[in-house]
Amino acid sequence: TQLLEQSPQFLSIQEGENLTVYCNSSSVFSSLQWYRQEPGEGPVLLVTVVTGGEVKKLKRLTFQFGDARKDSSLHITAAQPGDTGLYLCAGLTGANNLFFGTGTRLTVIP
Amino acid sequence: IAGITQAPTSQILAAGRRMTLRCTQDMRHNAMYWYRQDLGLGLRLIHYSNTAGTTGKGEVPDGYSVSRANTDDFPLTLASAVPSQTSVYFCASSDYPGSYEQYFGPGTRLTVT
Repeated sequence: TQLLEQSPQFLSIQEGENLTVYCNSSSVFSSLQWYRQEPGEGPVLLVTVVTGGEVKKLKRLTFQFGDARKDSSLHITAAQPGDTGLYLCAGLTGANNLFFGTGTRLTVIP
Repeated sequence: IAGITQAPTSQILAAGRRMTLRCTQDMRHNAMYWYRQDLGLGLRLIHYSNTAGTTGKGEVPDGYSVSRANTDDFPLTLASAVPSQTSVYFCASSDYPGSYEQYFGPGTRLTVT
């Protein structure tokens, strides 16, 4: 059972463009995390959002947790080639299990 | 500090063979996890351990077993490998169950032929 759907699955953009990645679910999560994964490596945590409606900014990355704690978005401003990678959202349930989304593979072309 | 190490890095295995994937962490984390990553499906939890001496089943536990004899090691065993177990396997750990951050190893790429 896939609890978290991400869109788009693939995204290829030019350097300097803005983009948004979505993470949607019908389930409620106690927190929502975003990870970034590079080829041949494990995922690395970028941010955790806990409160419904919460917005966190990390330099050019803006993360938002939906009011109902069922969805989240990641917005990147002025994308750079170094942003290339696989972005994964993950929701933590009340039973302390972490469910990962299907992933969005981002390519930023110089 | 190495964090989490996994071995082997990659393996080609004949169907029906037994295989143990190794995972060691040096952060003294209480909780450890095994995930498999398949294209289009993200990471799925296979088994977890909240503390040494305890284990639990995740989302896709069939065909896999784990043990947690001590804090540092969390091996994953495939008793009789099947082609559908071809995947990239990641071990992870966190300070405590439900901790916001999980730290991941570099992964083991397993191909079952």
